[in-house]
Amino acid sequence: DAGVIQSPRHEVTEMGQEVTLRCKPISGHDYLFWYRQTMMRGLELLIYFNNNVPIDDSGMPEDRFSAKMPNASFSTLKIQPSEPRDSAVYFCASSQTGTGNTIYFGEGSWLTVV
Amino acid sequence: AQSVTQLGSHVSVSEGALVLLRCNYSSSVPPYLFWYVQYPNQGLQLLLKYTSAATLVKGINGFEAEFKKSETSFHLTKPSAHMSDAAEYFCAVSEGYGGSQGNLIFGKGTKLSVKP
Repeated sequence: DAGVIQSPRHEVTEMGQEVTLRCKPISGHDYLFWYRQTMMRGLELLIYFNNNVPIDDSGMPEDRFSAKMPNASFSTLKIQPSEPRDSAVYFCASSQTGTGNTIYFGEGSWLTVV
Repeated sequence: AQSVTQLGSHVSVSEGALVLLRCNYSSSVPPYLFWYVQYPNQGLQLLLKYTSAATLVKGINGFEAEFKKSETSFHLTKPSAHMSDAAEYFCAVSEGYGGSQGNLIFGKGTKLSVKP
């Protein structure tokens, strides 16, 4: 079975540009999570969805960040405008109700803002 | 509210030595507990999980962890370290059976180094 698929794997962009990260969760999973990982702050939950509905977005750093889940098989995390401090690895993850809360992670999107 | 504390941000062992990574949790309801491993430049991969069945849980790559309610601990062990075990390890907690489904609360991670 295919795992969580993220794109792009690597992106380098200039400060002020818009960045869009994409995620395809595991088929049949009804929860989707966006995490950010940095050396300084470790692994942070940004937002998560259940059945395409945002449940908790308290981790979204500021209004420059937005996330959408238009259907069960696709989600985006957008940063506009991007800043150097947004440089991090962004992970998408998914899980399925009734499977003991096990979360499956994608390989991550490595973002560098210069 | 739930939380996880991993004792030691870095642990170094010699190849063949015992690996012990410590995790203590706090939870107001019976928890599910997890260990994830992250190899360099990769995502997090589930190593093992406790879901209120056997208190000693066996995972992949020879790792195991024991749930000790009285100590609120879920320490990860491996009898003999291998060079390929060098990675970062994350402990996580969630509400258990009957609790709310959703996010895991992760610890800050422990980076394991294995010396030849």
